[in-house]
Amino acid sequence: AQKVTQAQTEISVVEKEDVTLDCVYETRDTTYYLFWYKQPPSGELVFLIRRNSFDEQNEISGRYSWNFQKSTSSFNFTITASQVVDSAVYFCALSEAMIKAAGNKLTFGGGTRVLVKP
Amino acid sequence: DAGVTQSPTHLIKTRGQQVTLRCSPKSGHDTVSWYQQALGQGPQFIFQYYEEEERQRGNFPDRFSGHQFPNYSSELNVNALLLGDSALYLCASSLEWGTPETQYFGPGTRLLVL
Repeated sequence: AQKVTQAQTEISVVEKEDVTLDCVYETRDTTYYLFWYKQPPSGELVFLIRRNSFDEQNEISGRYSWNFQKSTSSFNFTITASQVVDSAVYFCALSEAMIKAAGNKLTFGGGTRVLVKP
Repeated sequence: DAGVTQSPTHLIKTRGQQVTLRCSPKSGHDTVSWYQQALGQGPQFIFQYYEEEERQRGNFPDRFSGHQFPNYSSELNVNALLLGDSALYLCASSLEWGTPETQYFGPGTRLLVL
């Protein structure tokens, strides 16, 4: 069975501070995909990034960066120089999707609420 | 390019009633998944439809059922509503069931059961 744990339920920072969100996952598969989604107060989940288990390169997109470490089963997300608009709930998710019959369902963590104060 | 759309946005029902939620996938997508998100929790997978058939199901009772139409749109039906069914119901679409394609989510339907 697959499991995703986001130990931080809420993080509060002042604008321009950096914030790192932790994500730890469990899976018995050797091939899997990891995702981060952002959920603003409106409720819609916004896709941020997808990373497969074969690619451990860190990735940077603007103020966002991701650190994937297979050895520790972690896929952490950092927002640099946070802004008020970054306030949202962030979810890490896992998909074991390489077997046709398995579909591509997502298993989500419990989410981390980020509050950026001006 | 239209994203995933869902209707209605909000819904209030009483215990024992039945409800139908609707979803139109992103243009070009053929797979629809439904998730239930209780307040303060992460989304939980309900089921996934492809080629008008339920392909995968999460740990939800038979009161939850669905349908996919030839135009790939989908419905989620919940019978005999319980108070615990109050949640945000999210629809997601993707391309090619069984592949690790990214799922894109709609704005959700907020269901309140009184």
